[in-house]
Amino acid sequence: DIQMTQSPSTLSASVGNRVTITCRASQSVSNWLAWYQQKPGKAPKLLIYKASSLESGVPSRFSGSGSGTEFTLTISSLQPDDFATYYCQHYNSYPYTFGQGTKLEIK
Amino acid sequence: QLQLQESGPGLVKPSETLSLTCTVSGGSVSSSSYYWGWIRQPPGKGLEWIGHIYYTGSSYYNPSLKSRVTVSVDTSKNQFSLKLSSVTAADTAVYYCARRPTYSGFDFWGQGALVTVSP
Repeated sequence: DIQMTQSPSTLSASVGNRVTITCRASQSVSNWLAWYQQKPGKAPKLLIYKASSLESGVPSRFSGSGSGTEFTLTISSLQPDDFATYYCQHYNSYPYTFGQGTKLEIK
Repeated sequence: QLQLQESGPGLVKPSETLSLTCTVSGGSVSSSSYYWGWIRQPPGKGLEWIGHIYYTGSSYYNPSLKSRVTVSVDTSKNQFSLKLSSVTAADTAVYYCARRPTYSGFDFWGQGALVTVSP
């Protein structure tokens, strides 16, 4: 199985800050990587697919980059609605696996 | 607008079989553009992909669960289903059904169904 490792596990930031979350794969997943946002008690929401493609309806302050084994999710200017947990997931091969999550907290 | 809704028992006894159904509205499970899958999340923990199915009936499972999992599709009812046998307390989780376009991650999710395994 391909292991997905996110860093940091917890991130404290303020409204207006620029934040970056990193996801590393234990072997290449090409650009078959997605990012999700999850709020308590809710299903995950797709933000980014194919490493850098913005899902329809997702604000442009979210962006993704990377390929191979290292990927980043960047939020250019944090808004109050962005405080949540973020997961990466590869879909390069079976089994699909998720990162352990990054909890973005208000500072 | 596409909607997915999980249904099934919220309580299952150890060693029995967990069964959930996902009803799809506003779209078709017969589309060649999508996979239909199941993902679970134990309370307070991360996400685990269980498996998914294509409209042709071809299915793919997580090897960690493969011997216990079956995902099936009923195109006449526009539903797909999950069966997980020989459950233990470790299978207690919120189970989500979701759609995955062939080029993307899971873009539409159900609200989730909490299934507790307990005597």
